[in-house]
Amino acid sequence: AQSVAQPEDQVNVAEGNPLTVKCTYSVSGNPYLFWYVQYPNRGLQFLLKYITGDNLVKGSYGFEAEFNKSQTSFHLKKPSALVSDSALYFCAVRDGGNTPLVFGKGTRLSVIA
Amino acid sequence: DTAVSQTPKYLVTQMGNDKSIKCEQNLGHDTMYWYKQDSKKFLKIMFSYNNKELIINETVPNRFSPKSPDKAHLNLHINSLELGDSAVYFCASTARPGVASEAFFGQGTRLTVV
Repeated sequence: AQSVAQPEDQVNVAEGNPLTVKCTYSVSGNPYLFWYVQYPNRGLQFLLKYITGDNLVKGSYGFEAEFNKSQTSFHLKKPSALVSDSALYFCAVRDGGNTPLVFGKGTRLSVIA
Repeated sequence: DTAVSQTPKYLVTQMGNDKSIKCEQNLGHDTMYWYKQDSKKFLKIMFSYNNKELIINETVPNRFSPKSPDKAHLNLHINSLELGDSAVYFCASTARPGVASEAFFGQGTRLTVV
């Protein structure tokens, strides 16, 4: 069975600084990895995904993520954080077929002006 | 022209009541899901339907019954509501039961059982 770990409940970063939100995964086959963001009282919005190909994936709002197979990681990054990036971020994985997305517990990002 | 829409957005009800949450997607997707987000924001899959057929039913009390009249709709009916059912319920859809498809989520229904 697939699983995702987000080791940090909370990440604080100053506006303008780079940010990283960590994610590690476990799947039996090839991993298909996703990042979502949730703003207060809103649904989940898709940011980016890794299926195959380049290990560095670019997504919405200037976010990118780096797939590292040897470390089974898929960390979310942004070169320069904005206050408006403050939200709850979820990493998710699926391993094929009809399996639904399995989510990590989420990491709350707080960008301080 | 919301892609995945749920109604109602908020639902407050008493213990023991029966309630339904409706979900519709206009994306032409084949697969729809119900997720539950608890008070700690943990998201857990409840059900998955593909072309109106139930394909995944996680360990959920049988008081919860999904119904899919057509592939664009997936409703969730809950009988004999309990305090522990209070949560945010999200509907989602994907293009096909394929690995490359990201899921699109509705805005959620916040259910409060009093």
